[in-house]
Amino acid sequence: NAGVTQTPKFQVLKTGQSMTLQCAQDMNHEYMSWYRQDPGMGLRLIHYSVGAGITDQGEVPNGYNVSRSTTEDFPLRLLSAAPSQTSVYFCASHDPGHRAFFGQGTRLTVV
Amino acid sequence: DQQVKQNSPSLSVQEGRISILNCDYTNSMFDYFLWYKKYPAEGPTFLISISSIKDKNEDGRFTVFLNKSAKHLSLHIVPSQPGDSAVYFCAASAAEYGNKLVFGAGTILRVKS
Repeated sequence: NAGVTQTPKFQVLKTGQSMTLQCAQDMNHEYMSWYRQDPGMGLRLIHYSVGAGITDQGEVPNGYNVSRSTTEDFPLRLLSAAPSQTSVYFCASHDPGHRAFFGQGTRLTVV
Repeated sequence: DQQVKQNSPSLSVQEGRISILNCDYTNSMFDYFLWYKKYPAEGPTFLISISSIKDKNEDGRFTVFLNKSAKHLSLHIVPSQPGDSAVYFCAASAAEYGNKLVFGAGTILRVKS
C-alpha cells in the first residue's frame, strides 16, 4: 500500500528558480490538499482540490500554483522561489470521513 | 488569527502515567475534530477523531473528549509509552467550509522511561 507518495524528499533552490513538487495517491480519493509546516505555526493549507479539474486556494496560496488533471496526481508548483518559502511541504489525500492521509513530506530550502 | 490553538508547546510525562494534550478552538462552526501524531521526518498520521454530536470517543489507549460549550478538546493517552513521544496536532473542520482541516501549532510529547 503506497498511500500518498511525495517527491522529492529534499530540495535546495536558488531564489527565483521554479520547481514542481510531485504528489500521487492510490486510494482513489477525490479530495487532495497541500500544506506547509513551519515552526510554531502547525500546518497551513496552501491549495486543495475536491476532484479532477477543480482546485481552490487555501490559507497561504501566494507564490504557488496547482492543477489536478487526474484523480491520482496533485502537483504543487513554485513559480519563483523565495526564502520565505523555505518550509516542509506535505501533500494529503482525504477520505470521505474527513481523515487526511499524508505523504512523507518535502523539505525545501530556498537560498 | 489562529482558530485552533494548542497552548502548550511541550509536555513531559513519565512512562505508565496519563498524558493529557489540550486544544482550544474559536470557530463555533467546527463540527469535526481530529488528532494527528507526527514523528520526525515523517508525515502526520491520523490518531483519533470526534464528531461534534459526541463528547467522548475511545480507541484503545487514546480517548478524545469534547466540551463544546468551552470550545475545548483534549486527548488522553493512558498508559503513556516511550513510543508515544512525538508531536501531536489537533485539527478541526466544518462542513460549512468544505471540510478543510485547520491545524493547531502542535504539542511535543516526551514520555520518559
